[in-house]
Amino acid sequence: DAGITQSPRHKVTETGTPVTLRCHQTENHRYMYWYRQDPGHGLRLIHYSYGVKDTDKGEVSDGYSVSRSKTEDFLLTLESATSSQTSVYFCAISELGEQFFGPGTRLTVL
Amino acid sequence: GENVEQHPSTLSVQEGDSAVIKCTYSDSASNYFPWYKQELGKGPQLIIDIRSNVGEKKDQRIAVTLNKTAKHFSLHITETQPEDSAVYFCAHKGNAGNMLTFGGGTRLMVKP
Repeated sequence: DAGITQSPRHKVTETGTPVTLRCHQTENHRYMYWYRQDPGHGLRLIHYSYGVKDTDKGEVSDGYSVSRSKTEDFLLTLESATSSQTSVYFCAISELGEQFFGPGTRLTVL
Repeated sequence: GENVEQHPSTLSVQEGDSAVIKCTYSDSASNYFPWYKQELGKGPQLIIDIRSNVGEKKDQRIAVTLNKTAKHFSLHITETQPEDSAVYFCAHKGNAGNMLTFGGGTRLMVKP
């Protein structure tokens, strides 16, 4: 998976609790992305980063925040998880256009 | 981002046959068109891509064609094998930023 790890790989949590997902890369790529994947919707961009402390919103950013304090780490936070945020979350990295994906995190919000 | 329509949503072929998946986009500024393969429980993997300055690219049994006038691009898999069974996603990128917009995916099943 091109030097990309995601943690945790699986998580079950309750509605209203905060959740943080971590993406770590060893490729020193400039761009990092968070997507969610749901049946019938393909991959949808949540947030992305174009450098340390430089982030922007994607298509489905409501209810999510991100932070990037180091090149190698990109964190996705659900401040107060809802059942609609049950999904599989993928991190991706990019330098020259091609995006490479991590293994994913399956999040279930009860 | 601009939408991309992907068809068919499911495709079943016999081993050895060819499979074709098509995507249509609307952003005339799109200049990069990758295809991803996703196996069950894994992240999408880039299998082939094409840029707007070429019309076709091949890599062994896989090829991608691009028609910029008609704004569509296709993935062609020849001599399909059971291990080709997966979900395939097309995507495209415009001139602004470094973001991809994905199609809805095609589930390909290759029957032995």
